[in-house]
Amino acid sequence: KQEVTQIPAALSVPEGENLVLNCSFTDSAIYNLQWFRQDPGKGLTSLLLIQSSQREQTSGRLNASLDKSSGRSTLYIAASQPGDSATYLCAATGAGSYQLTFGKGTKLSVIP
Amino acid sequence: NAGVTQTPKFRVLKTGQSMTLLCAQDMNHEYMYWYRQDPGMGLRLIHYSVGEGTTAKGEVPDGYNVSRLKKQNFLLGLESAAPSQTSVYFCASSPDSLNQPQHFGDGTRLSIL
Repeated sequence: KQEVTQIPAALSVPEGENLVLNCSFTDSAIYNLQWFRQDPGKGLTSLLLIQSSQREQTSGRLNASLDKSSGRSTLYIAASQPGDSATYLCAATGAGSYQLTFGKGTKLSVIP
Repeated sequence: NAGVTQTPKFRVLKTGQSMTLLCAQDMNHEYMYWYRQDPGMGLRLIHYSVGEGTTAKGEVPDGYNVSRLKKQNFLLGLESAAPSQTSVYFCASSPDSLNQPQHFGDGTRLSIL
């Protein structure tokens, strides 16, 4: 059974700092790896999706990487802003499965 | 552009009562999903549908039933609510489950007393 882990559970950084969020998964037979953002009381918003054949994806100040062999993905946020404060979730789609397995998330606070 | 709309947003039930949560999407997506989110547990898939008239079990299906009579709607039913079903329920949809990200609604907060 796939297990997805995100460490740390919470992170606080000063505004303007570059930061990295970590995600690890136990089964490397994945179809894709997705990063989501969740604001309090809201649903999830998709940030980046990396196919298993890809190494990274970029969107604006966000860059996500994928290393299937080591079972790891990272989300890099450049020049963090207070508006980036949210919980970030990663999720893996198992090969041959319709199911996403989610990590428990990292709660990010960017301090002005 | 509504996206994924969940009804109701909040509900309090007594143990043993039944209710139906409605999810509607206006993006003509084929696939739809129901998740529950609990503190310390993350999101877990309850049921999903790969098209109108189809349903399948996810990770935690017990105590729930679903129906997808119309492509745009996916209903989640609780026949006899239990306190363990107190949770935040999210519906999501996607045009293709493997190549496209899922779009989520804002959730339904359900409390079972």
